[in-house]
Amino acid sequence: SAVISQKPSRDICQRGTSLTIQCQVDSQVTMMFWYRQQPGQSLTLIATANQGSEATYESGFVIDKFPISRPNLTFSTLTVSNMSPEDSSIYLCSVDGGNEQYFGPGTRLTVT
Amino acid sequence: GQQLNQSPQSMFIQEGEDVSMNCTSSSIFNTWLWYKQDPGEGPVLLIALYKAGELTSNGRLTAQFGITRKDSFLNISASIPSDVGIYFCAGQLSLGTSYDKVIFGPGTSLSVIP
Repeated sequence: SAVISQKPSRDICQRGTSLTIQCQVDSQVTMMFWYRQQPGQSLTLIATANQGSEATYESGFVIDKFPISRPNLTFSTLTVSNMSPEDSSIYLCSVDGGNEQYFGPGTRLTVT
Repeated sequence: GQQLNQSPQSMFIQEGEDVSMNCTSSSIFNTWLWYKQDPGEGPVLLIALYKAGELTSNGRLTAQFGITRKDSFLNISASIPSDVGIYFCAGQLSLGTSYDKVIFGPGTSLSVIP
């Protein structure tokens, strides 16, 4: 399995600002995924990031709100733009380990 | 779209008891995955199931991939306090793209009373 780290681990941000979350993997992976987990809820896929191409967004998520970068095979960023309190969630990155997905520890975001 | 149902939603059990939880869907999945999430952590993969009817164990955990490919169960034997957490089932679909899509269930919250 891959070892995945995320930065920051948590942050408290003001409404209207943006936060960029970083995800680093200890091995090269083709696909990386970004999920959102709202308080007390399950995981919802935001987008899939393939190195060298634009991210593919799920229904309900748009690039202007959640721009994603994937500059190489071990790194990705997710930006939460123009934040509102409804964006308060845990944001998790995940990688495709062949037959399973493995998750980072998550970034806990609180928007005030 | 695809949706998973998990039951029970939450459980409170005595230490040492066995636990059973299951996951159902109206869709067929290629792979079933069971994850555990501790507070403040990301989900950790417990068991992966790849074939209909497959029964797989990992220590005190046993999981089965239903024959219809639309359900799975997870059993935990002789529960201990560190089993506390939220257990998510997830179904994996091949969409004909370069990756398989994973759909998560709503989770089962497990509390173990010492």
